[in-house]
Parts: sequence; structure tokens; C-alpha cells
Amino acid sequence: GAGVSQSPRYKVAKRGQDVALRCDPISGHVSLFWYQQALGQGPEFLTYFQNEAQLDKSGLPSDRFFAERPEGSVSTLKIQRTQQEDSAVYLCASSRLSGGLAGELFFGEGSRLTVL
Amino acid sequence: AQRVTQPEKLLSVFKGAPVELKCNYSYSGSPELFWYVQYSRQRLQLLLRHISRESIKGFTADLNKGETSFHLKKPFAQEEDSAMYYCALVGAGSARQLTFGSGTQLTVLP
Repeated sequence: GAGVSQSPRYKVAKRGQDVALRCDPISGHVSLFWYQQALGQGPEFLTYFQNEAQLDKSGLPSDRFFAERPEGSVSTLKIQRTQQEDSAVYLCASSRLSGGLAGELFFGEGSRLTVL
Repeated sequence: AQRVTQPEKLLSVFKGAPVELKCNYSYSGSPELFWYVQYSRQRLQLLLRHISRESIKGFTADLNKGETSFHLKKPFAQEEDSAMYYCALVGAGSARQLTFGSGTQLTVLP
């Protein structure tokens, strides 16, 4: 596709359920970021991949959050035992360059998670 | 710790009036600063970055290290400028990830 694709666009989960959010970055993009955006706030960094390597996961709020990018393209963000405070829009972004933000970030439309 | 502050959550101006969206940052090193924009029902996208010293869609932003500011300005606002604007900073973390402000919703009135 022409841009970063995320699915599902909307997810409603009952508290305690596990969810998986998918990101398909722009083909050939080396860097991939996950951000969490709570209502009325700016995006907050969760984790960063360079190809398949997860180089920074310092923003993950708890060990219930797990991300992977096994083949260096598609990435999945998994949240186990969801809590109400996990409700947010989860944004994925990619960049064609390595070394993190060496260039422009291209964002997906986000996955809006609502935990009841 | 690095931080970006956008003091105005909402800003309304009339078409043709000048507009300034404020951004202040806190960072101990030499920062790289950006403005990202999100138009209604569109994804977040880069507007401009300070190292390019460019003008995009009539917008400019000057890095003022003394005041630790990176305000976004446009001399004559247009209705199509109505959007959410985020100021962002790249720090020295291993990922060099963006740290965003909380955003300013700009509305340009006819």
C-alpha cells in the first residue's frame, strides 16, 4: 500500500481480555515506532524497531505490553489483560532511514482501543 | 528529561489574520524540533522541521534557544489551516524518538 496501514481501526475489549494490534509499514522502511495517544494528549512513545530488532522499549507502560516485528516488516503490539487505562489510540509510524528519527516519520491512521 | 509544552489547547483566528502557535521545550542538549499536523479525518503528518529552515504552506518556525521556543507562525491564516498541530522534539535516546506536546487545535473562522 501507499501508506502505513493499521488494523483493526477500532477495537472494544472487556477488561482482562488480550488484544493484538497490527501495523504494516511502508515497504522498505527500516524504522518502526509505536505510540500511545490518550484522549486530549499528544502521542507518547512506546517502542522502536530497526528492522526486526527492538532497540528501545522504554516507553512500554507495563509488562502487559509486548511488541514484535519478526521479519522486519509487519509489527504487532499485544496488550495482555487489558485495563481501562489502556484505552487510547495506538499509532504506528515508520521511517525509511535507520538510526531512529533520521528522517520524516509516516504515521498510520491508528487503532482506537476502548476497554470496558 | 525532555518535555514539550504547548500552552494553548484551542486557538481561533479569523481568516486573513496572523496566527502563532506556541511551543516551548525543555532539553539539555541541542534539540531537533518539528511541527506535525493532523487535519480532520487524516493521519498525523510532518509539517516542517527546524533544520530545514523551510516555509511550508506559508508556515514558518524559528528555533529560539535563549527562550527555548519553537513557535509556529503564519502571516495570513486560511480556513484550510484548521487542524490539530503538535510540536515535537527529538532527543538523544537510543531510538531518537519524537517527544510530542499535547497539541493545539487551530480553528480559522471565515
